Amino acid sequence: DAGITQSPRHKVTETGTPVTLRCHQTENHRYMYWYRQDPGHGLRLIHYSYGVKDTDKGEVSDGYSVSRSKTEDFLLTLESATSSQTSVYFCAISGDRDIQYFGAGTRLSVL
Amino acid sequence: RKEVEQDPGPFNVPEGATVAFNCTYSNSASQSFFWYRQDCRKEPKLLMSVYSSGNEDGRFTAQLNRASQYISLLIRDSKLSDSATYLCVVNTGHSSASKIIFGSGTRLSIRP
Repeated sequence: DAGITQSPRHKVTETGTPVTLRCHQTENHRYMYWYRQDPGHGLRLIHYSYGVKDTDKGEVSDGYSVSRSKTEDFLLTLESATSSQTSVYFCAISGDRDIQYFGAGTRLSVL
Repeated sequence: RKEVEQDPGPFNVPEGATVAFNCTYSNSASQSFFWYRQDCRKEPKLLMSVYSSGNEDGRFTAQLNRASQYISLLIRDSKLSDSATYLCVVNTGHSSASKIIFGSGTRLSIRP
């Protein structure tokens, strides 16, 4: 299995609080991605990174920001969590823009 | 219209049966194609890539039809352990800004 660790694995928070999710890889892959998965929508890309300090928006980026200061770490921040951001969040990595390997996911509940 | 569409199922078939899923995509410039498998409450995992000539991996066969813009997955001699959601993935990227689109998935349930 690819070396991808997401933390925390579960989190419950309140509306309006900031939340940061972490993705850590040991594969030295260039590309890293954050997705959310909701029933009926499948996986939707939030943000992705193609190198240290190089990031870009995906299709559902509103309300989220990311940072990548090291190859191995990609952080996803919800500046002010809302109930619509309750979801399962997956991090993925890729060495060649094609095949992606996923972390185990973070279940986030915003109350 | 969604860029990648799959029949959500569920497909409920007996053990040993053959089952096939299709996935259609809208962007004719799409370059690479994959099938992923996702078990309940787990992360997606790559099942197989899909090549133009079609490819087989044990009981699994994937086909690509560029003219009709669909890919298919055939599972022969299905096992209980094949029960999962199968995600179709299409990559339309041709620059550093890759665009990888996941279908919503087809649920498969194998019954004894």
